[in-house]
Amino acid sequence: EDQVTQSPEALRLQEGESSSLNCSYTVSGLRGLFWYRQDPGKGPEFLFTLYSAGEEKEKERLKATLTKKESFLHITAPKPEDSATYLCAVLYSGAGSYQLTFGKGTKLSVIP
Amino acid sequence: SQTIHQWPATLVQPVGSPLSLECTVEGTSNPNLYWYRQAAGRGLQLLFYSVGIGQISSEVPQNLSASRPQDRQFILSSKKLLLSDSGFYLCAWSTRRREKLFFGSGTQLSVL
Repeated sequence: EDQVTQSPEALRLQEGESSSLNCSYTVSGLRGLFWYRQDPGKGPEFLFTLYSAGEEKEKERLKATLTKKESFLHITAPKPEDSATYLCAVLYSGAGSYQLTFGKGTKLSVIP
Repeated sequence: SQTIHQWPATLVQPVGSPLSLECTVEGTSNPNLYWYRQAAGRGLQLLFYSVGIGQISSEVPQNLSASRPQDRQFILSSKKLLLSDSGFYLCAWSTRRREKLFFGSGTQLSVL
């Protein structure tokens, strides 16, 4: 069973059409949840870290929120340049050490 | 500022040939270093991580090995590549607190 699940797998939006990406997790002992953006053929680029339920972070058209079992990445009025795969990762306490697990990502396409 | 360099960007190798991918970090000392593999439709898979020179932890038993000959240098190697070694390899670093990962630009490896 996946510990970090991202949905949807792919999302196609018209330019200006706001939406949200979801990252749900089943681990306990959360130490942090991270969002990354990955362009094709490139390494992931760090966006946000969230540490506790209720926390929010914003950057341009993106806003990340965190609850006890999931995080949302809200995209407001997206532009074509926001097209990318968005990854979330969860850092948690497990097996006597910290474990970091990534989701499989959501591929976002923004159509002009 | 910190930067991470990873090379080569693409590599095509025959089955049974050796492999050496190199990663270097600038602008920080005593980083944690990581090698990940990313396959289509799957999340990022941690292969190796290192907390110091000569200290390597392997997460997945396989045909690959890693070495850290210097504080900011991390090398991924194989003596004989398999078809299943094909994939997108990413080097990353973090501080000791592991608050977030910074990724290199990746190496697309094709084993033919």
